[in-house]
Amino acid sequence: QKEVEQNSGPLSVPEGAIASLNCTYSDRGSQSFFWYRQYSGKSPELIMSIYSNGDKEDGRFTAQLNKASQYVSLLIRDSQPSDSATYLCAVKTNAGKSTFGDGTTLTVKP
Amino acid sequence: GAGVSQSPRYKVAKRGQDVALRCDPISGHVSLFWYQQALGQGPEFLTYFQNEAQLDKSGLPSDRFFAERPEGSVSTLKIQRTQQEDSAVYLCASSFETENSPLHFGNGTRLTVT
Repeated sequence: QKEVEQNSGPLSVPEGAIASLNCTYSDRGSQSFFWYRQYSGKSPELIMSIYSNGDKEDGRFTAQLNKASQYVSLLIRDSQPSDSATYLCAVKTNAGKSTFGDGTTLTVKP
Repeated sequence: GAGVSQSPRYKVAKRGQDVALRCDPISGHVSLFWYQQALGQGPEFLTYFQNEAQLDKSGLPSDRFFAERPEGSVSTLKIQRTQQEDSAVYLCASSFETENSPLHFGNGTRLTVT
């Protein structure tokens, strides 16, 4: 079992819809949680970070964290074709390193 | 510089050759990380430095892989006697400190071993 698991894609949603991306992790000592977006052939870039239980909103993006369930999610509202990319969930422990899931590929169809 | 800089962007090596990949982190970033990313997979941790100290090298796949950051700034990842399974994108990332800071990635080096 991988330390960070993401729902296997690909995920396809119509333009304007809500895209829901999920992630579970195994290390209960994890402290920080991140969502990165990676366009094809490019490097990952930070979308959201979340450190405490609950929701965190930034524009069209909402990250949700539930440490008891070891679950992180990312909601993208009013999805746009430019949101089409692979979304990587990353989990960091206080040991310093970030562990990544294999990503979920999202396609937003016009 | 404005971002993390990696060189070369592409490297083709014949099996058995040694390669050296360079990473120049964001100025002032204490922590520097190396990841390996195979096609269709997430980045896999290789090693990380805090300043010049290599705090974790548990992800290095074999003793053919070696990383250094002698002055706490630029880092080099060296792969000796390259094998075909070493073909991947090697990503370097830096951050201010290790606990809550996100990673800032360079553009990566795509290594192809023929």
